[in-house]
Amino acid sequence: EVQLLESGGGLVQPGGSLRLSCATSGFIFDTFGMSWVRQAPGKGLEWVSCISGSGDKTYYADSVKGRFTISRDNSKSTLFLQMTSLRAEDTALYFCAKSRGNFPFDAFDMWGQGTMVTVSS
Amino acid sequence: DLQMTQSPSTLSASVGDRVTISCRASRSIGRWLAWYQQKPGKAPKLLMYKPSSLESGVPSRFSGSGSETEFTLTIDGLQPDDFATYYCQQYNSASSFGQGTKVEIK
Repeated sequence: EVQLLESGGGLVQPGGSLRLSCATSGFIFDTFGMSWVRQAPGKGLEWVSCISGSGDKTYYADSVKGRFTISRDNSKSTLFLQMTSLRAEDTALYFCAKSRGNFPFDAFDMWGQGTMVTVSS
Repeated sequence: DLQMTQSPSTLSASVGDRVTISCRASRSIGRWLAWYQQKPGKAPKLLMYKPSSLESGVPSRFSGSGSETEFTLTIDGLQPDDFATYYCQQYNSASSFGQGTKVEIK
């Protein structure tokens, strides 16, 4: 059974940093692209970032470019999102999502339950 | 930036109805489009991709069509479990989602 479990969310002050993790199991991790998608309270879905299966290609939404870094540890089947210079508008539930294939731009066939990030003083 | 626009934003329907949700891309995305269903407090669930391929386990009352800039999700015979919010997603150029369509009980 495919499982994705996010962790690392919490309350952080504006300008602060946070590192999210997504532990996975049930599939061959390094053969699939992975993404982070967020959802602000009461709002729609916003794609944040994605990474290829090997980790050599990364992409970011303009809203987080230069502040967030996506990475993966294929030996531990884990996806990460390092978030810096956090702003109030980054407050959201952050989902990790598995691509259907290796290419990072793909439909997402499995999702975690999300980890909440709140940016507030 | 590639924008995805869904219509309507809210749709009131009854069990058994045929429901159609539209998604328009601001420029051509070929057939690189997916549809998701999301219920309150839950993660989204993939329904369709490319955009007429039915994800495994999804009921056949769901269907998708379209290409380039115009896409449609159809639910043929709405069931109680289908009242939810639906999102389209393009994955031709990075990725982005439509703003969502809430299907509510009439």
